[in-house]
This record gives sequence, C-alpha cells and structure tokens, in this order.
Amino acid sequence: GESVGLHLPTLSVQEGDNSIINCAYSNSASDYFIWYKQESGKGPQFIIDIRSNMDKRQGQRVTVLLNKTVKHLSLQIAATQPGDSAVYFCAEFFSSNYKLTFGKGTLLTVNP
Amino acid sequence: DAGVTQSPTHLIKTRGQHVTLRCSPISGHKSVSWYQQVLGQGPQFIFQYYEKEERGRGNFPDRFSARQFPNYSSELNVNALLLGDSALYLCASSPPGAGELFFGEGSRLTVL
Repeated sequence: GESVGLHLPTLSVQEGDNSIINCAYSNSASDYFIWYKQESGKGPQFIIDIRSNMDKRQGQRVTVLLNKTVKHLSLQIAATQPGDSAVYFCAEFFSSNYKLTFGKGTLLTVNP
Repeated sequence: DAGVTQSPTHLIKTRGQHVTLRCSPISGHKSVSWYQQVLGQGPQFIFQYYEKEERGRGNFPDRFSARQFPNYSSELNVNALLLGDSALYLCASSPPGAGELFFGEGSRLTVL
C-alpha cells in the first residue's frame, strides 16, 4: 500500500483564516518531503519542501512542520485566500531514483 | 521560460489500442519522470529517465514503456489499452542535482 496518507480528505475554511493540512507517512528512508498544490485540470505545483533532517521550514505564507518521532507532516497556510482552493498532496521524495510517492490528497475549499 | 509541455492534452482510445504520449522538459533539465493519476487519487510513479537511461520504474505492467531522446524529450507508450488505463498522465522534469519536480499539465487519456 501507499506509505504516505492524509488525515482529512476535505477541509473548508473562511477567507483570512489559517489552514492546516496534515499528512502521515510510514517510510523513514525518504530524503525530502514535499507539498504540492493541484488545481482542477492542472498538474501538481510545487509549494514547499523540507529535508528529512529538518523539523520546520517557512515560505511565503506557508510553513511545513516535520515530526519524525510520530512520522507526521503538516502544511500551514496563513491568511488563506480563495486562490488557495485546490487539492494538496504531501509526497515523499527518494533521491536514489527521483521517485515521488504521493498521498491521496486533501481538498481545501476557501469560502469568501 | 516554457514549462514542461505535454501532448496531446486529451485523447480517446478504445480497448486494445496503443497510445504514445509526449513530453518536453524545461530547458536545461535532463531528468524526466512519468506519473499516472487516476481520478481522485495522487499521482503514481511510472518511470524516471536521466540522460536517456531508465533509472527508476514503478509497479506498472510491461505494457507501459518509455524512452528519452538526445534532446531530453520523452515518450510514454502504453500497449493493449485497458479501461483502467484511463487517467491523467503527468510528465515532470527536474534540474541536475535538485529534488524539485516540475510537472506539466498532463495528457488526459480516456479508454472506451
């Protein structure tokens, strides 16, 4: 089965609120964890990544937290906007063969 | 700069036929990967090519094959199509030494 999964299949928030999307993984051998955003009819778009030896990384309005003890990954989006509405995937990256293993995704809906 | 380009964007085939999907990576990227995304699920790794050599293969039958050309473009071939092959086929390229994958918009294959 898949080694990466998501706790919540859907998440609905109000515009301006913060969003937190969670992800559990089972394979400890990955080199990176990556969050992708996929809008309807489009390919996945890179948001942010975090090396497996880090526990936090911040980008523009996004923060990724990695807890290796419980094998948990989260994506925090600050001041969520309607344009953030999409399916979000966490993925494990293995540099040995450039393989990404994706989870099933969380649908984020931002209500204006 | 042009992103990853894929063709065709949509196509319809019947069971038993074969299909060829094409991908042009971002200029300067030598690695190309192929993913299959069934509706409602995360992308599944099919192949990864680097410098025209296969460096990774996912759990797909031998009906699936690919190749990479000297200009780093790539083709994915699927023979003896089954209804279950209906999916969005995504191509991604990555720069040398980096983990980030840049995805194209995909080729939507429908098998009737």
